[in-house]
Amino acid sequence: SQELEQSPQSLIVQEGKNLTINCTSSKTLYGLYWYKQKYGEGLIFLMMLQKGGEEKSHEKITAKLDEKKQQSSLHITASQPSHAGIYLCGAEYGGSQGNLIFGKGTKLSVKP
Amino acid sequence: EAQVTQNPRYLITVTGKKLTVTCSQNMNHEYMSWYRQDPGLGLRQIYYSMNVEVTDKGDVPEGYKVSRKEKRNFPLILESPSPNQTSLYFCASSYLGQPKLFFGSGTQLSVL
Repeated sequence: SQELEQSPQSLIVQEGKNLTINCTSSKTLYGLYWYKQKYGEGLIFLMMLQKGGEEKSHEKITAKLDEKKQQSSLHITASQPSHAGIYLCGAEYGGSQGNLIFGKGTKLSVKP
Repeated sequence: EAQVTQNPRYLITVTGKKLTVTCSQNMNHEYMSWYRQDPGLGLRQIYYSMNVEVTDKGDVPEGYKVSRKEKRNFPLILESPSPNQTSLYFCASSYLGQPKLFFGSGTQLSVL
């Protein structure tokens, strides 16, 4: 079974609405990385979380890592069309030598 | 400007015709990696390298080769491409032990 599950697979929201994307790991995370991908393009690093309970924000995007370090959420406040794209979480596990396991991604569409 | 450069951006080829996708980074990163992205399967690692002359298999290495003769370059070689290798390919790099990956813009490969 997949080590890293992302939900939902896709999301359509009205501009201005808030939304949350989840990333759940089957085992304890060493680190969790969030990336955004515009359709057909490369991934852009958003945020990195390493400590249980950690929360980081950048502009209108907030990412949290739970205390047990097995689940992360990405929250977008007052969504805009520029937020549209595919969001991927990447998990770093102990002993992984820096390799990341990626979730399958969440495709976000924002309707004007 | 710090970047990962992949070439070509798009490639259409026929079964069995050897091809190379180039990847170069200008950030002096030790770690480089190749991924393929397919609908419903997400981002899967093909090969990675932790330094010059050091390469290791990822999750889906069959049908691919890589080399790391110089720190900045990490080409992906398909000796005998097959249609199931039609995919979007990404090269990424980072400092060793710091998996904040920098991604190239991707290579869309179609094998007919």
